[in-house]
Amino acid sequence: GNSVTQMEGPVTLSEEAFLTINCTYTATGYPSLFWYVQYPGEGLQLLLKATKADDKGSNKGFEATYRKETTSFHLEKGSVQVSDSAVYFCALKEGNNRLAFGKGNQVVVIP
Amino acid sequence: EAGVTQSPTHLIKTRGQQVTLRCSPISGHTSVYWYQQALGLGLQFLLWYDEGEERNRGNFPPRFSGRQFPNYSSELNVNALELEDSALYLCASSLIQGRYTEAFFGQGTRLTVV
Repeated sequence: GNSVTQMEGPVTLSEEAFLTINCTYTATGYPSLFWYVQYPGEGLQLLLKATKADDKGSNKGFEATYRKETTSFHLEKGSVQVSDSAVYFCALKEGNNRLAFGKGNQVVVIP
Repeated sequence: EAGVTQSPTHLIKTRGQQVTLRCSPISGHTSVYWYQQALGLGLQFLLWYDEGEERNRGNFPPRFSGRQFPNYSSELNVNALELEDSALYLCASSLIQGRYTEAFFGQGTRLTVV
């Protein structure tokens, strides 16, 4: 079945550092891909999305490119802020409209 | 415009009891989804309702059920609560438009079973 794999473990980095969170997927066909963010004590917010190969989603300084050849959708930000501390989930939309999520990565940005 | 709203925000129940969680979708959205976010298990798909009908169900026992009302709001019912049902229950809504559907999530209901 369809699945999403995110890199293991939390990510701790200093303010203004470069952030990368890896996401790879297994799917039949060409799913839509998403990054969601969950701030402490809150629900999920859609951060960015891409619907076809080579699409680049971007929002709030975050970017991710839909790479069909490597089945990846890595999240990047050039200069993180303390306010970016949150849990980030990679997800794909399956044909039946359900979202399959990765396990999430806790990002902690230290001032 | 109001987002997806869920109630209650927090809930404590005893094992064996029953619970009902509520969700109001974004105005105009016809689809409602329920997800369970349990510690260590990530986000698991529970149920999808569209136009009042159950369209898809995740790998959960029958004691998890729900419904969608004519105004597109939805309830999730969990019977015979077990300790492992403790989780954040998230509702999302979307508008079916061809192949691509963007889901907007509510703040969730934190259920604790003791």
